[in-house]
Amino acid sequence: AQSVTQLGSHVSVSEGALVLLRCNYSSSVPPYLFWYVQYPNQGLQLLLKYTSAATLVKGINGFEAEFKKSETSFHLTKPSAHMSDAAEYFCAVSDIANAGKSTFGDGTTLTVKP
Amino acid sequence: DTEVTQTPKHLVMGMTNKKSLKCEQHMGHRAMYWYKQKAKKPPELMFVYSYEKLSINESVPSRFSPECPNSSLLNLHLHALQPEDSALYLCASSQDRLRQEGYTFGSGTRLTVV
Repeated sequence: AQSVTQLGSHVSVSEGALVLLRCNYSSSVPPYLFWYVQYPNQGLQLLLKYTSAATLVKGINGFEAEFKKSETSFHLTKPSAHMSDAAEYFCAVSDIANAGKSTFGDGTTLTVKP
Repeated sequence: DTEVTQTPKHLVMGMTNKKSLKCEQHMGHRAMYWYKQKAKKPPELMFVYSYEKLSINESVPSRFSPECPNSSLLNLHLHALQPEDSALYLCASSQDRLRQEGYTFGSGTRLTVV
């Protein structure tokens, strides 16, 4: 069975500081991994995805994530936080063994302080 | 067109009412999904349509009835709902259920059952 654990339900950073949101996964077969962002009263927007190509994945809005198989991790980073990055972030995993269904983590709320 | 459009954005209904949620996409995606999201929680999968056929029903109560009239449209028919069904209902689409490209989400319908 596949699963995702997001460490830290709330992360607070200062504007301009590094953003690091943690995600660990479990999957019985090679996984596909995703990060989504959700702003208040909106749907989810795909930030980036790992689909077994390059292990360092660049996404929209300056975010990137690195797939580390040995650590079963897919942490999301951004060098310099903007106020507009404040939102809910979800990590998700899917694999063929689960009929392509995505399993979402519980989410991390990112707060950016001025 | 790179969007998933959901209507209505807000819906208030009584427990004896019948209403429908609508979702539309024109990206040529052949997989469409209904998710339910409660406040501060990740999305929960309800139904998956693949090539206009229902392929996954996550044991959803029969008061929720999905329909896929064609490859661009997805409906969710609601009848005799309970107050605990109040949530954000999200529609999503992807190119193919088994191609792990991530989902495009709509902005959702905020449903309140009174």
